[in-house]
Amino acid sequence: EVQLVESGGGLVQPGGSLRLSCAASGFSFSSHWMSWIRQAPGKGLEWVANIKKDGSEKYYVDSVRGRFTISRDNTKNSLDLQMNSLRPEDTAVYYCVREMDSWGQGILVTVSS
Amino acid sequence: QSVLTQAPSASGTPGQRVTISCSGSSSNIGSYDVYWFQQLPKMAPKLLIYRNNQRPSGVPDRISGSKSGTSASLAISGLRSEDEADYYCAAQDGSLSAWVFGGGTKLTVL
Repeated sequence: EVQLVESGGGLVQPGGSLRLSCAASGFSFSSHWMSWIRQAPGKGLEWVANIKKDGSEKYYVDSVRGRFTISRDNTKNSLDLQMNSLRPEDTAVYYCVREMDSWGQGILVTVSS
Repeated sequence: QSVLTQAPSASGTPGQRVTISCSGSSSNIGSYDVYWFQQLPKMAPKLLIYRNNQRPSGVPDRISGSKSGTSASLAISGLRSEDEADYYCAAQDGSLSAWVFGGGTKLTVL
């Protein structure tokens, strides 16, 4: 059974940093692209970033490029999202997603003073 | 403003057939496969349709997807109360080098 478990969320002040992690199990992690997708309170889904199977390619939505960094460790079956210079508009539930077919339960990030 | 356009709401009565549409452009739906997701209240999204019209195991065949040109549709027949949820379409966008979503359609079963 595919399992994706996010951690690292919480409350952070504007301008601050936070690192999200996703622990993957139940499948061959290194064989799949992985993504972070977020959902602001009461809003729709927004793709944030994705990373190729071997980590050699990374893509970002314009609003986070230069502030967020996606990375993965295929030896530990883990996916990370380093978020810097956080803004109130980054407040959302962040989902770890495998190839669009499997989603974690999500983790809340709140950016507020 | 979402790159893919969906009507904000749709409704139907039990047993009816409902269609949800998703409109895009040549750089996304016109060039890439469409995916559909169902999100029940307070839950993570669930994949309903991939590659335009393919159902993952466990998704009933009363749910179907189609694509034509720069538009796609999700059809749900034999509507049930448990189908009441938000539905999202998504596709890759070659111009943006990104995945893009529709704004979502809230389906109400009357």
